[in-house]
Amino acid sequence: GAGVSQSPSNKVTEKGKDVELRCDPISGHTALYWYRQSLGQGLEFLIYFQGNSAPDKSGLPSDRFSAERTGGSVSTLTIQRTQQEDSAVYLCASSLSESYGYTFGSGTRLTVV
Amino acid sequence: AQSVTQPDIHITVSEGASLELRCNYSYGATPYLFWYVQSPGQGLQLLLKYFSGDTLVQGIKGFEAEFKRSQSSFNLRKPSVHWSDAAEYFCAVGAGGSQGNLIFGKGTKLSVKP
Repeated sequence: GAGVSQSPSNKVTEKGKDVELRCDPISGHTALYWYRQSLGQGLEFLIYFQGNSAPDKSGLPSDRFSAERTGGSVSTLTIQRTQQEDSAVYLCASSLSESYGYTFGSGTRLTVV
Repeated sequence: AQSVTQPDIHITVSEGASLELRCNYSYGATPYLFWYVQSPGQGLQLLLKYFSGDTLVQGIKGFEAEFKRSQSSFNLRKPSVHWSDAAEYFCAVGAGGSQGNLIFGKGTKLSVKP
């Protein structure tokens, strides 16, 4: 597609439930990133996929968070046993390479009640 | 480790006035530097980027930024602000190479007075 697509745009879930957030990057972009944006905070890096290399998971805040990227394209971020502190906007971005800068999706606003 | 500081959380300027948003970074070598803008409810849009060469870079929407190595700064400027520029602005730094992710500052919210 023309841009980075994220779904759903909004998600309300009960504490303790699992959620899956989807990102469809720009076709041909080899790099894909997940960030989290909490109210009043900057962007917190979560995970980075580059081609067929092992992902850089150094930003994942706990083992409740995981992500995969199938076929070098679509990525899913999974949060297990959601907690209220997981409430945030989850942003996905893709790029040809870091030097080109990222193209961001519009994000998924996750609310844990 | 890389870091980015945006000292101003919130700035208000009058429409037509000039604007400068500050960004300081910490990194040993010459980094990749970016400015992004985020309108309410939207994702982030790239305004401009610096890798090497001319230290004054031009971006979209009339913005420019100047890389000053001696001050570890990459401040964003616009000579005349429009009401539509009201948004949140993020500075980011990248190390390049195998370290692929960008480190973002906490952002500066810009309000524009009529």
